[in-house]
Parts: sequence; structure tokens; C-alpha cells
Amino acid sequence: NAGVMQNPRHLVRRRGQEARLRCSPMKGHSHVYWYRQLPEEGLKFMVYLQKENIIDESGMPKERFSAEFPKEGPSILRIQQVVRGDSAAYFCASSRTDDIQYFGAGTRLSVL
Amino acid sequence: SQQGEEDPQALSIQEGENATMNCSYKTSINNLQWYRQNSGRGLVHLILIRSNEREKHSGRLRVTLDTSKKSSSLLITASRAADTASYFCATDAMGAQKLVFGQGTRLTINP
Repeated sequence: NAGVMQNPRHLVRRRGQEARLRCSPMKGHSHVYWYRQLPEEGLKFMVYLQKENIIDESGMPKERFSAEFPKEGPSILRIQQVVRGDSAAYFCASSRTDDIQYFGAGTRLSVL
Repeated sequence: SQQGEEDPQALSIQEGENATMNCSYKTSINNLQWYRQNSGRGLVHLILIRSNEREKHSGRLRVTLDTSKKSSSLLITASRAADTASYFCATDAMGAQKLVFGQGTRLTINP
């Protein structure tokens, strides 16, 4: 049973470009979460999704950030018009219900 | 807002010694989880303790939870060089799915 798969592992973008981060949850998991980690800090919650629904987006910046978890395919975290402050590691987690969240290896975004 | 805080921020011990890390939080929770993160890698789930539990063991790990003090501790016994990593506690607010992480404890095991 493969774990949570995130791609790409590393992503480099120039200011103003778009970043698309993908996450495939563990088999049988219908809950997906996105977190952001700045250097030397803990993870900060961004958004919680179930299939085709955003359940909690209280941690998402109001502008430029969006997330989806379509009926088919991976969850996508999309950052439009990236700025240097968006540079961070973005982690996806999945769970079966309201229990243990299993994390992917993360996508490290660097904005030049 | 709910926030987990680990103590100490950094801990350096000799191989074979025990390592204790503490975590405090602010609001009522359903459960508390501990994760390990090796440098530049993802998080590995270590152990989950529910709000109605006081102590839990898993191999060389021992976790305690004191809901009256809103605190938890993680004890790693007979430490090994491979235990070198950052350790985070994460709590969930009752009624919410999201996890709130502390800043982490950076543990270094010296051979």
C-alpha cells in the first residue's frame, strides 16, 4: 500500500508564475490536508478537503491560493502569481476518518 | 488560538541516554499525536494518544498526557544515533480535523 505521494518533490518558480502541487492520498483515504512549513518552524494548517468538497480552508491565504480534490485524480494546491514569501515546504496528509494523518514527503517550493 | 509548544527547542544527548520532550497546548482536544521529521524529509507518525488516555507505549517510546495541565511528554529510551531528528507534537481541536503543530524539538544523539 503506497503512502501519500506528492509531486514534484522540488519546484522552482520565478516571481509571478503559477505553482501547482499534487497529492495522491493513501489508498482508501478520502480526507486530504495541506500544510505549509517555513524553515525551522512547525507545520501550519492550510486546508482540509474531502472528495469534491472543501471542508475547512481557515488556514488558506485569502488571495492567490486555491485547492481542489476532484472526484478523479489527485488533490491540487495551486498558487498563482507566486512571491518570494511563498517559498516553503508544502506537505499533504491523508486520513481514513478523523484519525491518524499520514504525511507525504512534501514539495519544496523555491521562488526566485 | 490553539497552539502546541515544545520544550526544549533543542536537546543534545549521548547515545544510550534517555530523551524527554514536552509539549503544551491551550484548548480541549480529542487526541494528541507525536511526529518525527528527519532533516529535509516528511513527517513520520510515531504515536497517537487520546484525551481519555494517560499513558501509551510503543517500542522505545513512552507518551504521557495530562489533560488537566494541557501537556504531554515523549520519552525515548536507550537513544540511538538514528533518533536524531526534529520531534513535533500535534493536537486537534474538538470538532475540527486540522492538526496544530508546535515548533518542534531538535534532538541530536551524539555517538
